[in-house]
Amino acid sequence: AQSVTQPDIHITVSEGASLELRCNYSYGATPYLFWYVQSPGQGLQLLLKYFSGDTLVQGIKGFEAEFKRSQSSFNLRKPSVHWSDAAEYFCAVGSGGYNKLIFGAGTRLAVHP
Amino acid sequence: NAGVTQTPKFRVLKTGQSMTLLCAQDMNHEYMYWYRQDPGMGLRLIHYSVGEGTTAKGEVPDGYNVSRLKKQNFLLGLESAAPSQTSVYFCASRPREPGELFFGEGSRLTVL
Repeated sequence: AQSVTQPDIHITVSEGASLELRCNYSYGATPYLFWYVQSPGQGLQLLLKYFSGDTLVQGIKGFEAEFKRSQSSFNLRKPSVHWSDAAEYFCAVGSGGYNKLIFGAGTRLAVHP
Repeated sequence: NAGVTQTPKFRVLKTGQSMTLLCAQDMNHEYMYWYRQDPGMGLRLIHYSVGEGTTAKGEVPDGYNVSRLKKQNFLLGLESAAPSQTSVYFCASRPREPGELFFGEGSRLTVL
């Protein structure tokens, strides 16, 4: 069965520092991959997605992610973090003909001024 | 635009009571989903539907039932609530073509 692992439960960075959130997936075929962000008490907002093509995808709010098939990874990056980026981030993989979207456990990001 | 609307947004139940969560979407989406979110566990898929009149089990279906009698609505039922079902429930929908899921704002359920 497909699965998604986000190894880091909590990450703290200073404002202006770079950020990388890790995501590893388990799935036999080429997956559909997503990153969502959730601010406290809110629903989920899509940051970016990968279906095919260029393995480096750009998203909203200055985020990007790179699909690496050899490593089964889809890590999220941002060159300079803003205090408003403090939130919980979820990686997700779509499989089974993309009938289902399976989420990782999430990484909570704190940003120090 | 309303998008995906969940009702109620908050509910407190006693163990053994029943209730139904309603999800309504106005985007004419084929696919609809119910997830539960618990601390440290991310979102786990309860049930989903790929079209009107069809439903399927997700990762954690036990204790829940669903119905999709109308394309725009997806109901999640708890026949006999248990404290383990205390959670935040999210509904989502998407069109037939692969793409992002659109989420509701969540429904917080507490079972005492």
